[in-house]
Amino acid sequence: QQQVKQSPQSLIVQKGGISIINCAYENTAFDYFPWYQQFPGKGPALLIAIRPDVSEKKEGRFTISFNKSAKQFSLHIMDSQPGDSATYFCASARTGRRALTFGSGTRLQVQP
Amino acid sequence: NAGVTQTPKFQVLKTGQSMTLQCAQDMNHEYMSWYRQDPGMGLRLIHYSVGAGITDQGEVPNGYNVSRSTTEDFPLRLLSAAPSQTSVYFCASSPQGISGNTIYFGEGSWLTVV
Repeated sequence: QQQVKQSPQSLIVQKGGISIINCAYENTAFDYFPWYQQFPGKGPALLIAIRPDVSEKKEGRFTISFNKSAKQFSLHIMDSQPGDSATYFCASARTGRRALTFGSGTRLQVQP
Repeated sequence: NAGVTQTPKFQVLKTGQSMTLQCAQDMNHEYMSWYRQDPGMGLRLIHYSVGAGITDQGEVPNGYNVSRSTTEDFPLRLLSAAPSQTSVYFCASSPQGISGNTIYFGEGSWLTVV
């Protein structure tokens, strides 16, 4: 039972473009929504995270948009760069549980 | 600053063999966990521990065993390897408190069961 659905599975963006990855969750008890970035041969690393008391969080070129009523959240990468090419995972969790439920991942390729 | 260290990086096993994946962290984190990563399925939680001497099952625990005798170490044991356990395994740790949801991952162990 997949509680976090992620799309698209893969994404190709030109350098300087905007990359958008979407996730939808089912469990209304989730209150922590991180995005992880994973480069080939490496473990996932926390990129940015949001809690449902805000609708948007921005860190540099990375922005999370959160829609609590729709149970959806998305990652926007502005001015995408070839160095952003990686696999991105959304995840959800309940505060204090420390166990993440991951989406299936999106492989992003930014072409120069 | 080692963080979360996993060994071995790569391993090939024959069906029915047993082995242990090692995980150590030097951040004094109370919480440790093991995930497996399979294509198109994200990462799924196998087992986790909230402190020395305390372990619990995650989403996909069958065929795996864990123990937590120290804060630093959290080994994952495959009791009788099966081809379905071919995967990439990630160990992770997390501190207590407000930042308890910030989870740090190791670099992974690639396991092939033939």
